[in-house]
Amino acid sequence: DAGVIQSPRHEVTEMGQEVTLRCKPISGHNSLFWYRQTMMRGLELLIYFNNNVPIDDSGMPEDRFSAKMPNASFSTLKIQPSEPRDSAVYFCASGEQGKLFFGSGTQLSVL
Amino acid sequence: GQQVMQIPQYQHVQEGEDFTTYCNSSTTLSNIQWYKQRPGGHPVFLIQLVKSGEVKKQKRLTFQFGEAKKNSSLHITATQTTDVGTYFCAPKTGTASKLTFGTGTRLQVTL
Repeated sequence: DAGVIQSPRHEVTEMGQEVTLRCKPISGHNSLFWYRQTMMRGLELLIYFNNNVPIDDSGMPEDRFSAKMPNASFSTLKIQPSEPRDSAVYFCASGEQGKLFFGSGTQLSVL
Repeated sequence: GQQVMQIPQYQHVQEGEDFTTYCNSSTTLSNIQWYKQRPGGHPVFLIQLVKSGEVKKQKRLTFQFGEAKKNSSLHITATQTTDVGTYFCAPKTGTASKLTFGTGTRLQVTL
C-alpha cells in the first residue's frame, strides 16, 4: 500500500484565492482526519470523518474552511478565501483501530 | 474539558544521555498514544497504552502509563542522533475516534 497520499505537496497562493487540498486515505481505513500544524499552535485537529461522515468539525477555524469526503477513497479540505494566517502544513491521516497513519502533508503559503 | 500538558517543550542532550518526556492530563484517559515526527516529516505512530500502570518497551524506548491513567512518559536510554525529532502524546478519553495531540517535546541530540 502506498500509504496516505496528499496533494499538492506545496501550494503558494495569493490572499483571497481558493485553495483545495486533497487526500487519499489507506484503503480499508474507516476514519479520516485533517490536521493543521504551525509553530505557534502545534498540531490542531480540524475535522474528522468516520465512514465518510463528518463527526466533529469543531476545530475548523471559521466558515472559510470546509471539508468533504464524497467516498471512502477521497477527501478534500477547501479554504475560500485564503488568508496569510492560513499558512501552515496541513496533514491528512487515516485510522485503523485507533492508530493514525499520516500523509506527507501539504505546505501552504498564502501571500 | 480535557487539558494536556507535555513537558519539557524542548530538550537538548548529548549523544548517549537519557531523555524523558512527560504528558499530563487533568482528566482520566481511556488510552494514550505516542508519535514521533522527524524534522520536515510527518507524525509516525510509536505505541498505544491502554492499561493502568502499563509499561511497554521498544528497544531503547520505554513507555509508561500512570496508575491513575492521567499521565504518561516516554524514556529514551542512551540517545542517538537518529532520535532527533518531536515526540507527541495523543491522549484519548471515551470511545470516540477523535484524537488530539499534546504540544510536543522537541529533542535535539548532538555528538
